[in-house]
Amino acid sequence: GNSVTQMEGPVTLSEEAFLTINCTYTATGYPSLFWYVQYPGEGLQLLLKATKADDKGSNKGFEATYRKETTSFHLEKGSVQVSDSAVYFCALSKIQGAQKLVFGQGTRLTINP
Amino acid sequence: EAGVVQSPRYKIIEKKQPVAFWCNPISGHNTLYWYRQNLGQGPELLIRYENEEAVDDSQLPKDRFSAERLKGVDSTLKIQPAELGDSAVYLCASSLDRLQETQYFGPGTRLLVL
Repeated sequence: GNSVTQMEGPVTLSEEAFLTINCTYTATGYPSLFWYVQYPGEGLQLLLKATKADDKGSNKGFEATYRKETTSFHLEKGSVQVSDSAVYFCALSKIQGAQKLVFGQGTRLTINP
Repeated sequence: EAGVVQSPRYKIIEKKQPVAFWCNPISGHNTLYWYRQNLGQGPELLIRYENEEAVDDSQLPKDRFSAERLKGVDSTLKIQPAELGDSAVYLCASSLDRLQETQYFGPGTRLLVL
């Protein structure tokens, strides 16, 4: 079946550090891949997405590249800020009659000033 | 544009009691989803509506859970009776239609069953 595995958290970094959150997936066919972010007290928000192999999604300084050969979609940011503290979810979507999102378990990120 | 609205935001009940959650999706969004998010986990789909029709409820525990979307807009998710293991965050999301990849999520209802 379809599944997503994320690196376990929590992750704690200092401001301006480099961030990588690993994500790998298992799926038949060619899913679309997503990163969602959940800030404290808020709902999940789409951060970025990629719909085919070698696509790079980017938003707010975050990037992730769809790597079919390694079935990965790692999230990166060159210089994190305190405001990036949140829970990050990697997800895939396959059309099975409709778009169906499958989420990883989430990674809690805390950025210290 | 208003986002997905959910209420209540928090609910504490004793086991065996009933509970209901309400969701108002983004205006014009035909597809509505209910997810359950257990502590430390990602959301898992419970049920999906296309307008007023439930088209994917394979993950909904039908012995105690029910849902409705009578006019194809607002939706209610009910648990009766609640069990300790139902403690979780219940998320509602909507999208324009079933083929749209981007789902918009509400803030969720955090349920604690004592």
